[in-house]
Amino acid sequence: EAQVTQNPRYLITVTGKKLTVTCSQNMNHEYMSWYRQDPGLGLRQIYYSMNVEVTDKGDVPEGYKVSRKEKRNFPLILESPSPNQTSLYFCASSSRPPGATLYSNQPQHFGDGTRLSIL
Amino acid sequence: GESVGLHLPTLSVQEGDNSIINCAYSNSASDYFIWYKQESGKGPQFIIDIRSNMDKRQGQRVTVLLNKTVKHLSLQIAATQPGDSAVYFCAENIANNNDMRFGAGTRLTVKP
Repeated sequence: EAQVTQNPRYLITVTGKKLTVTCSQNMNHEYMSWYRQDPGLGLRQIYYSMNVEVTDKGDVPEGYKVSRKEKRNFPLILESPSPNQTSLYFCASSSRPPGATLYSNQPQHFGDGTRLSIL
Repeated sequence: GESVGLHLPTLSVQEGDNSIINCAYSNSASDYFIWYKQESGKGPQFIIDIRSNMDKRQGQRVTVLLNKTVKHLSLQIAATQPGDSAVYFCAENIANNNDMRFGAGTRLTVKP
C-alpha cells in the first residue's frame, strides 16, 4: 500500500530536549516536505526536499533541521525544542514538486500527522 | 504577504444536499490548485486539482470551479453524505515555485 509513515504519532517532551520525527515513503517519490498545522493558520511549510541531499527552507524553518540521505526518508529534527513549536506536524511526498508544470499534476500524499507538545 | 483564504470557516448541510465550499486566493501568478479533505486524526487527503488553463474539472461527486477573473475557487460536492464530514481546504501553487500555500480550511458537517 502506498503510504507516508510518520513516527511518533504523539510526543510530549520538555524544552531543550532534542527530538526527531521520522518520515518514510514507499512510493519512490523525489519531492518531500514538512508542514506544521496550527489552529486558524492552515498548513505552513517548514522545509522541503527536491531529491536526495537537496533540501531548502519553506516559510517557517526557524528552529528546525532536516536531512535527506536516502530517497525514502526525510526526518525532521528539533535540536532545542521550545513551547512555540507545539503543533501538529505533517510530512508529505510527491513524485515531482508542485511547480513542475512540465509534468502532469502532482498532488502530495500526506502522512497521518505527529502531534508534538513541548512543555 | 499574499495568502489563500476561505469565505466561511464552517458549513452545515443536510444529507443528500449539495455542498459548496469556497476559497479565495490573492496571487494572480498561481497556476495550480488542489482541494484536500482532512478527517479528524488523519492527514490531508487529495480530492481534486485543477490547473489555471481550465475553468472546471469534475471527479466522482466533486467538481472544482476556477474563476481567475475574481481569483476564486470552489469545491462542489454532490449528494453530500455523512462520510463527507471533514475539514476541506484549498492549496495553491505559484508558477515555478516548489511549495504549496494552504488555506485555513472549512469544516463541513453533514446532518442526517
